[in-house]
Amino acid sequence: EIVMTQSPATLSVSPGERATLSCRASQSVSSNLAWYQQKPGQAPRLLIYGASTRATGIPARFSGSGSGTEFTLTISSLQSEDFAVYYCQQYNNWPPAWTFGQGTKVEIK
Amino acid sequence: QLQLQESGPGLVKPSETLSLTCTVSGGSISSSSYYWGWIRQPPGKGLEWIGSIYYSGSTYYNPSLKSRVTISVDTSKNQFSLKLSSVTAADTAVYYCATLTTYIDYWGQGTLVTVSS
Repeated sequence: EIVMTQSPATLSVSPGERATLSCRASQSVSSNLAWYQQKPGQAPRLLIYGASTRATGIPARFSGSGSGTEFTLTISSLQSEDFAVYYCQQYNNWPPAWTFGQGTKVEIK
Repeated sequence: QLQLQESGPGLVKPSETLSLTCTVSGGSISSSSYYWGWIRQPPGKGLEWIGSIYYSGSTYYNPSLKSRVTISVDTSKNQFSLKLSSVTAADTAVYYCATLTTYIDYWGQGTLVTVSS
């Protein structure tokens, strides 16, 4: 089973600043890596898939990078609506399985 | 635009079976474009994939839950369902149904299921 580890657990950032979130896989997942944003009481929202492709309607300030075992989500200039919990997720081709990281909470500094 | 809606009891007794249904609108559950699946989130905790079913009927389950989980499809009603047996308080969570490819793009709103006597 592939284990996904996110760091840090909590990130304190001021509005307008850059946020960098990390996700590490216990073995290579190629580019089968997605990022989600979740706000309280809401379902997660897809931000990035294929490690670096923004989902429909996602602002350009969100970017993803990496491949293999090391991935990064960058929010270039934090807006008030970006304070939330972010999860990474990998897909294993066979047998099909989906695994999430434990999440990074981005809070207002 | 696909829409998914979970339904089922919000309270289940310990040792009993949790049963939820996901109704799909805006598309056919017979589509080969997606896996249809269930994900849960205990209060204040992270996301856990429970299992998925493909249009062919093939099912795939999280190994940690495999012995207790059954996912099935009812194409006549455009629905798929989750059954989780022998529940305990640790199964208390918000349960989401979703469409899955290499990522998860359509989610239901989620339904809270509490396991308590």
